[in-house]
Amino acid sequence: DQQVKQNSPSLSVQEGRISILNCDYTNSMFDYFLWYKKYPAEGPTFLISISSIKDKNEDGRFTVFLNKSAKHLSLHIVPSQPGDSAVYFCAASDSGADGLTFGKGTHLIIQP
Amino acid sequence: DTAVSQTPKYLVTQMGNDKSIKCEQNLGHDTMYWYKQDSKKFLKIMFSYNNKELIINETVPNRFSPKSPDKAHLNLHINSLELGDSAVYFCASSPRTDTQYFGPGTRLTVL
Repeated sequence: DQQVKQNSPSLSVQEGRISILNCDYTNSMFDYFLWYKKYPAEGPTFLISISSIKDKNEDGRFTVFLNKSAKHLSLHIVPSQPGDSAVYFCAASDSGADGLTFGKGTHLIIQP
Repeated sequence: DTAVSQTPKYLVTQMGNDKSIKCEQNLGHDTMYWYKQDSKKFLKIMFSYNNKELIINETVPNRFSPKSPDKAHLNLHINSLELGDSAVYFCASSPRTDTQYFGPGTRLTVL
């Protein structure tokens, strides 16, 4: 039973354009959402997060949008750069429990 | 300065053996975790450990046991290794229940 879903296993975007990664969740108890970036043979690196009381959080080229009614969040990267090529994991937290629940990841490929 | 470190990075062993993976964090965080990333690439929580309180994911076999000698370390011991234990294991730490910082992972291969 996947509580966090990333339905696109991969996404290819041209350098300079906007990358949009999507994530859906089913557990309404989740109150904090995070995006992690992962390179091969390395651990996930925290990128950006958003609390359920907000609908947008921005940090430089990265913006996360949260639509609670649709149980959907997305990560926007603009402009996309070659170094952004990695696997991106969506994760969610229920502050009443421990540990993060992860999606399966989306492999983002930035084409020159 | 590595914030969360794990040793070894690679571990190859025979079925039935007992092995340990070490994790250390120098961030001063109160909570540490172990995650397993299986062949389908799912990252799943195994344990969280906070101030001597251990919370175990009920799906984790009791052959797996975390040991915390001090606040900066949470080691993972695995007894009687099975083929299905082959995976990448990640340690993480957190100052609270949201943002977690991950180690580089340990790739365990059971032959």
